[in-house]
Amino acid sequence: AQSVTQLDSHVSVSEGTPVLLRCNYSSSYSPSLFWYVQHPNKGLQLLLKYTSAATLVKGINGFEAEFKKSETSFHLTKPSAHMSDAAEYFCVVSDSEGGGGTSYGKLTFGQGTILTVHP
Amino acid sequence: DGGITQSPKYLFRKEGQNVTLSCEQNLNHDAMYWYRQDPGQGLRLIYYSQIVNDFQKGDIAEGYSVSREKKESFPLTVTSAQKNPTAFYLCASSMGFRGGEETQYFGPGTRLLVL
Repeated sequence: AQSVTQLDSHVSVSEGTPVLLRCNYSSSYSPSLFWYVQHPNKGLQLLLKYTSAATLVKGINGFEAEFKKSETSFHLTKPSAHMSDAAEYFCVVSDSEGGGGTSYGKLTFGQGTILTVHP
Repeated sequence: DGGITQSPKYLFRKEGQNVTLSCEQNLNHDAMYWYRQDPGQGLRLIYYSQIVNDFQKGDIAEGYSVSREKKESFPLTVTSAQKNPTAFYLCASSMGFRGGEETQYFGPGTRLLVL
């Protein structure tokens, strides 16, 4: 079984300050991990993904995340927030049973973290 | 443009009525998915299809039906049996497991409201 916990439902920062969105996961297999962003009434856009290569993953718009197996965490960070970063962010885990095979790599979504950026 | 399109953007349903949400992709992806999103909750899987003419129930399939007659299309019907259909519905696609890549890409969504 797999699960995802986003530790904050809301995060508020000032423009130009760092962003930290926290995510912990559990998985029976070697997981793939994703962060998606959703602006109001829009679909989800992939920010970045971890698939057992480098543990520090760089994504779009200056975001990055670090996979820490010992802490079962995959926190999302950005050095300097921009007003356009205000959105909801989802941490997602997929236990694709090591890749390949016939089973479907089911995605499990966290509850989401709403990021507010103040001028 | 390559991508996933969903229509309509807003849909209204009357009591006892079936409605169908459209999802089309031109990414040449094998797998397609339907999710439901409610406020304050993550996405929940309704149905998925890994190949044409085959589909599987997700976690909350009751009151919904799908078809996959073409690779590009995966319509979702919300039947009258779905008692709480008001939600934001998201379609996604991926290369599929044979491609060894499970990253899912999402459409813009359809908001369903009950009159």
